[in-house]
Amino acid sequence: DIQLTQSPSTLSAFVGDRVTITCRASQSISSWLAWYQQKPGKVPQLLIYKASSIESGVPSRFSGSGSGTEFTLTISSLQPDDFATYYCQQYDRYPWTFGQGTKVDIK
Amino acid sequence: EVQLVESGGGLVQPGGSLRLSCAASGFTFSSYWMNWVRQAPGKGLEWVANIKQDGRERYYVDSVKGRFTISRDNAKNSLYLQMNSLRAEDTALYYCAREGGRGYQYFQHWGQGTLVTVSS
Repeated sequence: DIQLTQSPSTLSAFVGDRVTITCRASQSISSWLAWYQQKPGKVPQLLIYKASSIESGVPSRFSGSGSGTEFTLTISSLQPDDFATYYCQQYDRYPWTFGQGTKVDIK
Repeated sequence: EVQLVESGGGLVQPGGSLRLSCAASGFTFSSYWMNWVRQAPGKGLEWVANIKQDGRERYYVDSVKGRFTISRDNAKNSLYLQMNSLRAEDTALYYCAREGGRGYQYFQHWGQGTLVTVSS
């Protein structure tokens, strides 16, 4: 199975900060990576697919980059609504797998 | 508007069975791969199974192979998950999720989930 390792596991930041989350795959997954945001008690929401394509309706402060084994999710200016847990997911090879999550909280 | 509504969760004893359903609306159900994704309490996301548009291809995570069966009824716009030989570690919120389209297997739309608790 392809393992996805996110770093950091927890991130404390101020409103307005630039935030970067990394997702590393145990083998190359080309660009078959998605990012999701999940707030407590809520359903995960798709942010980014195919590593860098932004889902319709997602604010432009979110961006994704990378290919192969290393990927990043960047929030250019953290907003109060962005405090949540973020997951990466690969869909290159079965079984589809998720990273363990990165919790972004208020500093 | 895409809507996915899960049902069928509940409390079941270890070794028991449960059948989850997902009613889909707002899109052409027969044109999309469909998935089940679960989340144990306080834990991360885990993909469980998916099924192709015509039902002829199905894939599972190893931990549920031989115990869970995914199926669909395109005439009823419904997705199912038959869960047998349930274990405590199957306790989770089970989400129905639709792929992004054209076979791209990210999860573009999610239901609200149905809670399965396996306990004696």
